[in-house]
Amino acid sequence: DTGVSQNPRHKITKRGQNVTFRCDPISEHNRLYWYRQTLGQGPEFLTYFQNEAQLEKSRLLSDRFSAERPKGSFSTLEIQRTEQGDSAMYLCASSQSGQGIDGNTIYFGEGSWLTVV
Amino acid sequence: AQSVTQLGSHVSVSEGALVLLRCNYSSSVPPYLFWYVQYPNQGLQLLLKYTTGATLVKGINGFEAEFKKSETSFHLTKPSAHMSDAAEYFCAVSDTGNQFYFGTGTSLTVIP
Repeated sequence: DTGVSQNPRHKITKRGQNVTFRCDPISEHNRLYWYRQTLGQGPEFLTYFQNEAQLEKSRLLSDRFSAERPKGSFSTLEIQRTEQGDSAMYLCASSQSGQGIDGNTIYFGEGSWLTVV
Repeated sequence: AQSVTQLGSHVSVSEGALVLLRCNYSSSVPPYLFWYVQYPNQGLQLLLKYTTGATLVKGINGFEAEFKKSETSFHLTKPSAHMSDAAEYFCAVSDTGNQFYFGTGTSLTVIP
């Protein structure tokens, strides 16, 4: 397994356009997380899934943000009507819930940079 | 609720000197604690973690951290800094592994 994969790695879009990011987690991981990171800050939690169920979404920044994980495998994060303040790196992470040496540890992808011009 | 405070947003050390990055946490339940490293334009890489058991944990690249419950701390150390250690370091806390909360990070500069 090559780890958590995100694409595109970089996206430049005009204000008002919609963008979608994809995340492929580590294959045996049942949990998937989305974070946002701006310059000089730590990752900010947005939402997470256990299998296909979205268990926490109250931290999504506005109703312009939505995430899906339809089959419990890959996930998409969509931002509608982008604003310049949405410019950031969007990080995906995955984990396997439960005990065990690797349980409850999140592993990150390389991130997707969004620039809204 | 869980939270993390990283004291010192920037730390500079000379090559070969001790590295000490500070992390204090707040948690209403026994925490899981983590340190991650981030190189420019990359995602976060796990350095080490504490879940249960031995309070001194060793990680990759010669780093280690000690969980001190009485001090609610999980400071990261390395005996001898290397130029390749220059990066951003993040401490994180989790309750039962459902959600993870990160500090604002410490930027480590290594001076040759």
